[in-house]
Amino acid sequence: RKEVEQDPGPFNVPEGATVAFNCTYSNSASQSFFWYRQDCRKEPKLLMSVYSSGNEDGRFTAQLNRASQYISLLIRDSKLSDSATYLCVVRENSGYSTLTFGKGTMLLVSP
Amino acid sequence: DGGITQSPKYLFRKEGQNVTLSCEQNLNHDAMYWYRQDPGQGLRLIYYSQIVNDFQKGDIAEGYSVSREKKESFPLTVTSAQKNPTAFYLCASQVGGGGANVLTFGAGSRLTVL
Repeated sequence: RKEVEQDPGPFNVPEGATVAFNCTYSNSASQSFFWYRQDCRKEPKLLMSVYSSGNEDGRFTAQLNRASQYISLLIRDSKLSDSATYLCVVRENSGYSTLTFGKGTMLLVSP
Repeated sequence: DGGITQSPKYLFRKEGQNVTLSCEQNLNHDAMYWYRQDPGQGLRLIYYSQIVNDFQKGDIAEGYSVSREKKESFPLTVTSAQKNPTAFYLCASQVGGGGANVLTFGAGSRLTVL
C-alpha cells in the first residue's frame, strides 16, 4: 500500500523562526514530489515542486533524498501568514491516478 | 481568469438523498479529479477522468458516480449508498499526463448530511 507519512503537528513557532517539515514515502518507484499549502477550510495550493537536486523559492527550501525516501521543507524567517497545513504529495509514475497525499502538518506562527 | 469553479460551496442534505456537486474548469485541462477530505485525513481519490466520455474509479468510488460529457465539466453525484457522505469535496484538474504536472484545485464543496 502506498503511503506518505508526515510529522505529526501542530508546530508552534514564533515569528522569525526556522521550521522544518519531514515526509517519508513508501514506494521507491515514486517519481515526482510536491509540497502543497492548505489554509483552514480552503483548497490546497501548490507551494513548490521538489527536484532531485533540491530547490529554493525565497524563504522556502525543499530537499529530496531518494535513497532514504525522504522529502523535507524548510521555512526560514517564518511569517504569521505562513500559518497553514503543509501537505506532502508524491506521484508514483506518469499515470493520472497515482498521487498520494500525506495527512499534512499544521504550522502555527505566533507574534 | 482561468480556474476551477465548484458549486455549491456549502450543501446540507437529509440522509437518503442524492446530491450532485458541480465542477467546471476553463483551463483547457484534459484530466479532472474528485477528492474527498475528512478532518485530520489526507485527500482520497474518488474518481478521475483523462478524456471526455471516459472516467475511472479511484480508491473510494463506492457510493459515488460521475460523468464527463464535456471537457470543461466533471460533476460528482453523492448517492444514498455512500455511508458517510459528510466531508469536504475537492475537484482538481491537470493539463495532461502525470509526471511533473501539478494539480490545480477548486475551492471545494462542503457537504453536510443531517
